[in-house]
Amino acid sequence: SQQGEEDPQALSIQEGENATMNCSYKTSINNLQWYRQNSGRGLVHLILIRSNEREKHSGRLRVTLDTSKKSSSLLITASRAADTASYFCATVGYSYSGAGSYQLTFGKGTKLSVIP
Amino acid sequence: NAGVTQTPKFRVLKTGQSMTLLCAQDMNHEYMYWYRQDPGMGLRLIHYSVGEGTTAKGEVPDGYNVSRLKKQNFLLGLESAAPSQTSVYFCASSEQGGGTEAFFGQGTRLTVV
Repeated sequence: SQQGEEDPQALSIQEGENATMNCSYKTSINNLQWYRQNSGRGLVHLILIRSNEREKHSGRLRVTLDTSKKSSSLLITASRAADTASYFCATVGYSYSGAGSYQLTFGKGTKLSVIP
Repeated sequence: NAGVTQTPKFRVLKTGQSMTLLCAQDMNHEYMYWYRQDPGMGLRLIHYSVGEGTTAKGEVPDGYNVSRLKKQNFLLGLESAAPSQTSVYFCASSEQGGGTEAFFGQGTRLTVV
């Protein structure tokens, strides 16, 4: 089953406001990543946070990770209409089946609409 | 750099037909992935590869086969297409599996009628 679950499923805000999206996961992870998808396009990597990190910043993005609660949040500050997209969290965990390898597993995403 | 290129971008198949989706990456990445994206389901991992000549099953492998004969290419095959395989398929690659970002292709929209 899918690892990450984003909340909320959809979010609508006014331009200039902050947007917060949450992600919960089930098993231990190596790292957690956030991706963005514009309608009908491929996913684009935004930020990666390792399991031993608690917070990370990149421009207007702030990501937190709480491994004790198995949850992460993505904050977009001072949102713009161009931020309208779907946002996905993805967990990287080790699979011991077969030869053993890492798997990148996505949640269902949060659809963000930023109203000008 | 082209990054990750998927071929074709659109395809309509009749039930029972077969086809192969091609993914090519020019970044010398070890890991490659095939996902399908359905409304309300997010991205689900079909198969992946940790290096040339290797493949492994993901979350929803049934009805699909894959091959990675060359490091830069990852092929996804549908032997006998079914309407349930109507979806958008995304290929991705990453340098390693553990701690690096994945790069995605633009997707293949497949309709099975």
